[in-house]
Amino acid sequence: DIVLTQSPATLSVSPGERATLSCRVSQSISNTYFAWYRQKPGQAPSLLIYGASNRATGVPDRFSGSGSGADFTLTISRLEPEDSAVYYCQQYAGMPRTFGQGTKVELK
Amino acid sequence: EVQLVESGGGLVQPGGSLRLSCAASGFTFSSYDFYWVRQAPGKGLECISYISGSGSSIYYTESVKGRFTISRDNANNSIYLQMNRLKPEDSAVYYCASLTSGWHPLFDSWGQGTLVTVSS
Repeated sequence: DIVLTQSPATLSVSPGERATLSCRVSQSISNTYFAWYRQKPGQAPSLLIYGASNRATGVPDRFSGSGSGADFTLTISRLEPEDSAVYYCQQYAGMPRTFGQGTKVELK
Repeated sequence: EVQLVESGGGLVQPGGSLRLSCAASGFTFSSYDFYWVRQAPGKGLECISYISGSGSSIYYTESVKGRFTISRDNANNSIYLQMNRLKPEDSAVYYCASLTSGWHPLFDSWGQGTLVTVSS
């Protein structure tokens, strides 16, 4: 299985500041098959980014995805209170789909 | 409005069985693949089973192979997960989901989840 490793495990950021989350994939994959999700407490995950850099419907432009091959990044440019959540990366280049272990973003 | 609604979770003893259901509405059900994704308490996300739109392609993660069976009824817009020989480590919230794909990149929908607790 393709393994995804996220860093850091926890990120503490002040409102209005930038948050940068990383995801390393155990093998090089096509950008087409990489996504980021956000999971707020008590809720199901929701899609933020697909195809490594494309925002899903309704996702604010403060969220951006970048990267290629085996290294991908999610940037939240101006953190807002509702961004406090756990963020997961996911690959769908191979079966099974696999997720990273998550990065918890906390507001200072 | 796209909607997925799971049901069937609950408390079951080790070795017991449960059948989860997922009722879909608001889209052309047979055109989309589905997954069951589980999340143990305080843990991350794990795709445990997959079924293609036609039902002809199926996948199970190793830990549930031989114990769980995924199926779908395209006439009734439903997905099922039959879970047998349950173990305490199967305790989790189980989500029914149709996930973003190369074919349908903007379509990504999850149910609210149903809690399965395996304990004596």
